[in-house]
Amino acid sequence: TQLLEQSPQFLSIQEGENLTVYCNSSSVFSSLQWYRQEPGEGPVLLVTVVTGGEVKKLKRLTFQFGDARKDSSLHITAAQPGDTGLYLCAGDRGSTLGRLYFGRGTQLTVWP
Amino acid sequence: EAEVAQSPRYKITEKSQAVAFWCDPISGHATLYWYRQILGQGPELLVQFQDESVVDDSQLPKDRFSAERLKGVDSTLKIQPAELGDSAMYLCASSRRRRGASGSTEAFFGQGTRLTVV
Repeated sequence: TQLLEQSPQFLSIQEGENLTVYCNSSSVFSSLQWYRQEPGEGPVLLVTVVTGGEVKKLKRLTFQFGDARKDSSLHITAAQPGDTGLYLCAGDRGSTLGRLYFGRGTQLTVWP
Repeated sequence: EAEVAQSPRYKITEKSQAVAFWCDPISGHATLYWYRQILGQGPELLVQFQDESVVDDSQLPKDRFSAERLKGVDSTLKIQPAELGDSAMYLCASSRRRRGASGSTEAFFGQGTRLTVV
């Protein structure tokens, strides 16, 4: 059973379109991170959200942490081919170990 | 900018052979993770270190996998003997997070080692 469920699993869109990726759980997280991974490379950290209801913006990317800290979303405005990659959410449940739980990811392809 | 270093980038090995991966985390990072990632899926934790101690190896197939971080700095992950199903990307990550400490856990990843077992 996956602790973090991401949807959709695959997303294929045209350049200029908007999209939203979701990361959901029945568990509460003390923090949640979003990563982007390109083929053959390791994941790269995009953002960390820690406060329920928090919204962070990174250029055309908007990240939101749910009020109850059980879910998060990533919205991309006017997607570009350079946004193509595997988007991963990862959560820390606040245990003493600091374990990170990853979702399965959303594979985004943006066509020119 | 500090980075997590991993080697080799690619490894092809025959089944039943031994294989080892090396990771040098960002300096000063107490926590080191080894993850395995199947193509197109999220990383799955194999083992987590706090300094030189293993704090979570519940998902590590201990009959064939071993990991060490002897001086609390760099780390080695070994597979012996390798099986066809071990083909995957092996990722190392590090974090400032200390056991029992508060604050978010941000992990920084290396480029990974792509293992192919033939």
